[in-house]
This record gives sequence, structure tokens and C-alpha cells, in this order.
Amino acid sequence: QSVLTQPPSASGTPGQRVTISCSGSNSNIGSDIVNWYQHLPGTAPKLLMFSVNQRPSGVPDRFSGSKSGTSASLAISTLQSEDEADYYCAAWDGSLNGWVFGGGTKLTVL
Amino acid sequence: EVQLVQSGAEVKKPGESLKISCKGSGYIFTSYWIAWVRQMPGKGLEWMGIIYPGDSDTIYSPSFQGQVTISADKSISTAYLQWSSLTASDTAMYYCARRNGHNLGWYFDVWGRGTLITVSS
Repeated sequence: QSVLTQPPSASGTPGQRVTISCSGSNSNIGSDIVNWYQHLPGTAPKLLMFSVNQRPSGVPDRFSGSKSGTSASLAISTLQSEDEADYYCAAWDGSLNGWVFGGGTKLTVL
Repeated sequence: EVQLVQSGAEVKKPGESLKISCKGSGYIFTSYWIAWVRQMPGKGLEWMGIIYPGDSDTIYSPSFQGQVTISADKSISTAYLQWSSLTASDTAMYYCARRNGHNLGWYFDVWGRGTLITVSS
């Protein structure tokens, strides 16, 4: 059972907008930033979004992040086939004194 | 290019010891914390612990405290994760990752490709 809660799966067709949610608590998302990672099996996880809504260099602006209270969301507008991957949210948890991840959301592009 | 290069896959028997490595290059290794993250088969990512190679200050996740040892050799820009006695439940992919950011927020910006550990009799 992950500390951060994500839906196990999400899907969309090319061109659609998809949103992935991440629910936490006051000790993590509620009091700290949220980061998102994209992971294709067999490859290194990739930082997709940091400090809630900041994109590292090279990440398309189709990706955006937001946070409200103890929940965060990753939105992908104009879905593309190469977006098919696992997505993880993460945050520092002050009560556990460590980083916590969501269980991951497998995004399928239909 | 900033990168973390991890050691290769290992197949071990229960009870054996193991030390895997993560070598940093393209940046000042001693200036950034290095974390270890576990991914068990079919599961999500779990933070195991983190080390500051500059002085070897280490923080463990409570879930992994006493189960593994994280260390670093700054002279060769390498961090390590080791087990003294492996069990089948240690079978997983292990990633190292560099912590970056600032006091307002930290994140893992560079990741290794992972080291697959298989423990089986």
C-alpha cells in the first residue's frame, strides 16, 4: 500500500487530454512539493515535472502539473503514442522522514 | 553529460552477500545526494535511502533500516548498496538517482538504468 494514492491505470486516444491524480496527506503533498516521473519498462525513470508544475528541459509543454491541498494532478494534453508509460508521483513526507511514491499509473494510448 | 552508471545484473542464492554500485560522472559527485530506489516485480517505486558522498551522511527509510547498507567512495565517484544476507524478497530492480533542487523542493533529476537482482535457490 503506497503512501500516495494513484489510479492504477488510465487511457486515452491520440489527441485526447488525460489527467492522472495523486492523493496524499498533510505530511507529504499538503506540506511539500510534488514531483512526477515517467517510466518506460527497461529504462531509467525520467523526471517529468518538479516543484508541482515545473518542466525540466526537454519535456514538452503538453505536460502540466497542479496541486490543491493534499492532492496533485498531472495532465497530458494532446496525447501521443510515445506517452504510453508508467507515471509516478512523489513527495517528501515529513512524518516518515523520507520520500514517498505513488503506486504508479499505467497510461495506455489506445 | 551527467549520468549515473549502475553495475550489471546479478543472480544470487539466498544467504549470499552482494554489493551493487552506481558511478556518477559529468558533475561534482560530492555535491549531490544519491538515493536508492527499489522496484519489485510488477510493483511501484520505493525509496530506500540516500547518501551524501561528500561526508557519507546517510538517511534510511524505516522500511529498509537494518536490511541494507548504503555507502559511497568519493574518490571514485561511486555509491553502493549492499546486503549481508539476501533473501528471495530482495529480488527486484534497484535504481540509483541524484537528488537536485533547493530548500523549497527536492527531486531526483538523474537516474541510473537500474540493476536487476534475482535471488533464487
